[in-house]
Amino acid sequence: DAGVIQSPRHEVTEMGQEVTLRCKPISGHDYLFWYRQTMMRGLELLIYFNNNVPIDDSGMPEDRFSAKMPNASFSTLKIQPSEPRDSAVYFCASSLVPQPQPQHFGDGTRLSIL
Amino acid sequence: QKEVEQDPGPLSVPEGAIVSLNCTYSNSAFQYFMWYRQYSRKGPELLMYTYSSGNKEDGRFTAQVDKSSKYISLFIRDSQPSDSATYLCAMSAYTGGFKTIFGAGTRLFVKA
Repeated sequence: DAGVIQSPRHEVTEMGQEVTLRCKPISGHDYLFWYRQTMMRGLELLIYFNNNVPIDDSGMPEDRFSAKMPNASFSTLKIQPSEPRDSAVYFCASSLVPQPQPQHFGDGTRLSIL
Repeated sequence: QKEVEQDPGPLSVPEGAIVSLNCTYSNSAFQYFMWYRQYSRKGPELLMYTYSSGNKEDGRFTAQVDKSSKYISLFIRDSQPSDSATYLCAMSAYTGGFKTIFGAGTRLFVKA
């Protein structure tokens, strides 16, 4: 089992640029979550999907953030345009019913916006 | 007031000690209670998962939930240097969809 795979592991870019984070969940998992972690705010849920359908996106901070899950094995989180306050570690996680809580996390993408 | 309160520590203990980590919460709708361990530059790893009140034991780890006091605990027996990590509590409620809230995490150092 390869676990949840995220790419890239690190991303440094200038403000205003588009950033795309990628996630491959564990095969067969029904739920996929995107989280953001910062020292100030801890781990915050941005959005989660069930069977590729977005269920709760109330944590997405602004319209600059968007997430898609075109199929069961791939999801993206996009920030356009990026701002320095978006700097954080972004985690993807997946779960298998009947436990909808995040069970398996990837190792995250460390994003720095200059 | 935050929905989930957790002392960030750091907590430093000698090897072999019993460690007690705690969280309090305010939302009585929480039904699922979890503990995650996070090593530096890694994603959180689910350690323990409990539904409603009671105790759950897994090896050196014991999770306790007291819903009447809105208080959860994680005990680590015979702590090892490899237990040094940040421990996050988390809680979920179903309100039309699942909402999981994480505590801030407690940094634990186990000294050899």
